[in-house]
Amino acid sequence: DTEVTQTPKHLVMGMTNKKSLKCEQHMGHRAMYWYKQKAKKPPELMFVYSYEKLSINESVPSRFSPECPNSSLLNLHLHALQPEDSALYLCASSQGLRAYEQYFGPGTRLTVT
Amino acid sequence: AQSVTQLGSHVSVSEGALVLLRCNYSSSVPPYLFWYVQYPNQGLQLLLKYTTGATLVKGINGFEAEFKKSETSFHLTKPSAHMSDAAEYFCAVSGPGSSNTGKLIFGQGTTLQVKP
Repeated sequence: DTEVTQTPKHLVMGMTNKKSLKCEQHMGHRAMYWYKQKAKKPPELMFVYSYEKLSINESVPSRFSPECPNSSLLNLHLHALQPEDSALYLCASSQGLRAYEQYFGPGTRLTVT
Repeated sequence: AQSVTQLGSHVSVSEGALVLLRCNYSSSVPPYLFWYVQYPNQGLQLLLKYTTGATLVKGINGFEAEFKKSETSFHLTKPSAHMSDAAEYFCAVSGPGSSNTGKLIFGQGTTLQVKP
């Protein structure tokens, strides 16, 4: 099974709301990733977790807060977002960090009003 | 620093025709190379990868790619296009240049249109 699941599929939130995106994989992968993708653009890396520890933060604003409760789960907590944060948020996982392919979830389509 | 260039943001082929999507990379050492496909409103699906070994790599859905170190290229091909191949295709690189970070460097993407 090479499936990464993400919930919710769609999310509309106001600029004062707090919401969370969830990602889950059961492939035994030890690395997990959050990406942001704008229309007609490639994914942009936001965060990398390795063995449940944050290893990369690509200078993402603090209104995005990642969390890795265990090796199968990855959350992205959202607070006080801006309309320009509207995008497709993709989660991915890989067996490890180096040379391993990443498996992507279907994404959460976020709209900030 | 590593970089990826996909030549042609939009490629149009007829059904049954050869598909050729171009990818060139910049890296001081041989990288690891990937092709992903993205259908509308979906995540990215891995088509194929090159890490070491045989330079001609076969992937899913009849796609293949050849790693050419001398040309720093990793072009994606498929002998006969199907309507279902219409999608966005991304070439990506990782590897020694990005050490053990797992960071993928993506090209800007190529939209493949298949005409009946």
